[in-house]
Amino acid sequence: GAGVSQTPSNKVTEKGKYVELRCDPISGHTALYWYRQSLGQGPEFLIYFQGTGAADDSGLPNDRFFAVRPEGSVSTLKIQRTERGDSAVYLCASSLGAGQSTGELFFGEGSRLTVL
Amino acid sequence: AQSVTQLGSHVSVSEGALVLLRCNYSSSVPPYLFWYVQYPNQGLQLLLKYTTGATLVKGINGFEAEFKKSETSFHLTKPSAHMSDAAEYFCAVSGGYGQNFVFGPGTRLSVLP
Repeated sequence: GAGVSQTPSNKVTEKGKYVELRCDPISGHTALYWYRQSLGQGPEFLIYFQGTGAADDSGLPNDRFFAVRPEGSVSTLKIQRTERGDSAVYLCASSLGAGQSTGELFFGEGSRLTVL
Repeated sequence: AQSVTQLGSHVSVSEGALVLLRCNYSSSVPPYLFWYVQYPNQGLQLLLKYTTGATLVKGINGFEAEFKKSETSFHLTKPSAHMSDAAEYFCAVSGGYGQNFVFGPGTRLSVLP
């Protein structure tokens, strides 16, 4: 696609529910990143994929958070047993492959999650 | 490991005045440095980047930044502010391709008429 696409753009859920957020990266981008941005703060790293595998998941806050990228393109961020503190904008970014990139990230517009 | 600090969570300037947004970084490897801008309810957009070579880099919308290794700084400047520059600005550091991006907390720029 022309840019990074994230769905849904807005999600309101109740505490304890399960949520999935989807990211469709730019075609040909092998690297995919998830960040979380709370109000008034900078993006906080969650997880980074190179191809299908998670190269660095050190930013996932706890085991309620999980992300997959089964075919090396679309990724899904999954949050179980949501808590009010999970409310934030979840940002996805993608990047070109090794040898072609200076590491610049291209961001989607984010998925705003509100947990009531 | 990398980290970024941005001095001043909110900066106000008058239209036509100089814009200076400060960024200092810490990196255990030669850094790649970036400035991103975020307009309300929009995603992050790259303003400019430093990877190697010339330490003064120019970006979109008249912004530029200078990499100063001795000061571990990458401050963003624009000679004359426009109303349309009002946004949130984020400095970020990376160790290069395949490395984690670390963002600063951001500076909100207000431009007064």
